[in-house]
Amino acid sequence: EPEVTQTPSHQVTQMGQEVILRCVPISNHLYFYWYRQILGQKVEFLVSFYNNEISEKSEIFDDQFSVERPDGSNFTLKIRSTKLEDSAMYFCASSDWDQSGQYFGPGTRLTVT
Amino acid sequence: GENVEQHPSTLSVQEGDSAVIKCTYSDSASNYFPWYKQELGKGPQLIIDIRSNVGEKKDQRIAVTLNKTAKHFSLHITETQPEDSAVYFCAACNVNYGGSQGNLIFGKGTKLSVKP
Repeated sequence: EPEVTQTPSHQVTQMGQEVILRCVPISNHLYFYWYRQILGQKVEFLVSFYNNEISEKSEIFDDQFSVERPDGSNFTLKIRSTKLEDSAMYFCASSDWDQSGQYFGPGTRLTVT
Repeated sequence: GENVEQHPSTLSVQEGDSAVIKCTYSDSASNYFPWYKQELGKGPQLIIDIRSNVGEKKDQRIAVTLNKTAKHFSLHITETQPEDSAVYFCAACNVNYGGSQGNLIFGKGTKLSVKP
């Protein structure tokens, strides 16, 4: 069964450094999303992406964040200058044209020290 | 904006019993309500969803009900098994059919423990 994959599974970085989290959505999906989950808390929406542009973004997704679909398969989230409070699990998700559900990847645990 | 409340935060049942998790939402424009199961160290797994034009949906041991008037929806798991133990999240969004899917607003989760 097709699934969303994410790399790396765990990223440790120092405050102020840039990180890029990578995702490979399900191949025929058209909508892509990033969510984050701070330890023990609810999953929070960051951004949605469709037709090579951002569709929606939350207040969390400020100028330090950016997304890109550099080729036909990858979808990336970049954090330019990480802060301690960026430490969280970051989930990528994708959905099909008929919006029959968002399917999540296994997540990348980002630890900012 | 949308706000989703989920109860209870923890639920412990004996194997074979039923489990019910309830969620309420605030935005009457929300029209899509998925449920996710999250096992330790893994991403949320979509287990069932319901759209606002349907009152109930069932898939084997799991079912979801939706009351649009009261703005609440519930997950029902029957004949629970130890492997049902996980954190369950409800979510709501306004899907713009023909356009981009709305972002999911999640509840805080329910930790379900099924004791053998």
